[in-house]
Amino acid sequence: GNSVTQMEGPVTLSEEAFLTINCTYTATGYPSLFWYVQYPGEGLQLLLKATKADDKGSNKGFEATYRKETTSFHLEKGSVQVSDSAVYFCALSQGGSEKLVFGKGTKLTVNP
Amino acid sequence: EAEVAQSPRYKITEKSQAVAFWCDPISGHATLYWYRQILGQGPELLVQFQDESVVDDSQLPKDRFSAERLKGVDSTLKIQPAELGDSAMYLCASSLAGGAGDTQYFGPGTRLTVL
Repeated sequence: GNSVTQMEGPVTLSEEAFLTINCTYTATGYPSLFWYVQYPGEGLQLLLKATKADDKGSNKGFEATYRKETTSFHLEKGSVQVSDSAVYFCALSQGGSEKLVFGKGTKLTVNP
Repeated sequence: EAEVAQSPRYKITEKSQAVAFWCDPISGHATLYWYRQILGQGPELLVQFQDESVVDDSQLPKDRFSAERLKGVDSTLKIQPAELGDSAMYLCASSLAGGAGDTQYFGPGTRLTVL
């Protein structure tokens, strides 16, 4: 079945550091790919998405490119801020129901 | 901006009791999802509705869980009887039509603790 694997956390960075969170997926065909973010005490918010190969999703300085050849959708940000501290989930959807299949999440802490 | 509403935000119950959670999706969204998120894990789908019809409940423990969306708008998820292993965050999400690449919008969740 479909699955998502993302890098284990937690990740701790200093403000203005470069961020990469790796995400790879297993699916037949061409799923849609998403990054969701969960701030402490809140529900999930869509950060960005890509629906076909080579698409780049971007939002709030974050970006990720849908790489079919490596089945990856790595999240990057050039300069993180303390306010980016949260748990980040990579997810895919595919098929008739379009349900989301999530990775386990990566907790990011950014220190001043 | 329209949001998905859920209540209650927190629920503490004893095992073998019944609990119910309510979700009101974004107006006009035909597809509604209930997910369960165990601490430290990603959410997993319990049930998906398209309007008032269930389209996927393959992961719903039907001996104790039930879900309904009678008028195709708001929805209720019930657990009876609750077990210790049901302690988790229950998330509701909605999307416009449930089509390829549709964005799902999540509510704040209900955190259930079973004692």
